[in-house]
Amino acid sequence: DAGITQSPRHKVTETGTPVTLRCHQTENHRYMYWYRQDPGHGLRLIHYSYGVKDTDKGEVSDGYSVSRSKTEDFLLTLESATSSQTSVYFCAIRQGPEAFFGQGTRLTVV
Amino acid sequence: GESVGLHLPTLSVQEGDNSIINCAYSNSASDYFIWYKQESGKGPQFIIDIRSNMDKRQGQRVTVLLNKTVKHLSLQIAATQPGDSAVYFCAERLNNAGNMLTFGGGTRLMVKP
Repeated sequence: DAGITQSPRHKVTETGTPVTLRCHQTENHRYMYWYRQDPGHGLRLIHYSYGVKDTDKGEVSDGYSVSRSKTEDFLLTLESATSSQTSVYFCAIRQGPEAFFGQGTRLTVV
Repeated sequence: GESVGLHLPTLSVQEGDNSIINCAYSNSASDYFIWYKQESGKGPQFIIDIRSNMDKRQGQRVTVLLNKTVKHLSLQIAATQPGDSAVYFCAERLNNAGNMLTFGGGTRLMVKP
């Protein structure tokens, strides 16, 4: 699993509340990514980071922000959760040309 | 782990037969391609990769073929086993600053015993 831990693994939250998902890695990888996975869309990139305090937007970044204050942690924040953000969220790291994924977080916004 | 109940194209094969899963990619500037396998309740796992300067690469029981002319990628699994049942995704990488991967929609492989 390339030392990737996502937390929480499951969360149910109400519309309009803030939510933060955490990705923690233990192998000092520079690149980290957040994806969401939805029926009919496969995996879509939300944001990525190429170093501490260095982040950039992906394909579906609206409604999400990220922070990377230290190498091992990459946080994904939904400032005001909406029902369209109900999804399974995967964190990934890059090792060489390959990406390795965490186990995922199932987020339900009610 | 997590997965989603994706409404996906499904390939159903008999145990022991060969499987071929196809993928059309979108960007002719992509320089690297990966096949991932996602089992129920888990994140995607790397299977095999291929660079754009190759047209074929073989692994253990798996072969990836790349046709850049028609932007097509295929994954061949020899002697398919029940443990191969999963959703398979192809991913392409643009050689940019983030080396981001863009994923296809996936194909569900079901192996009948």
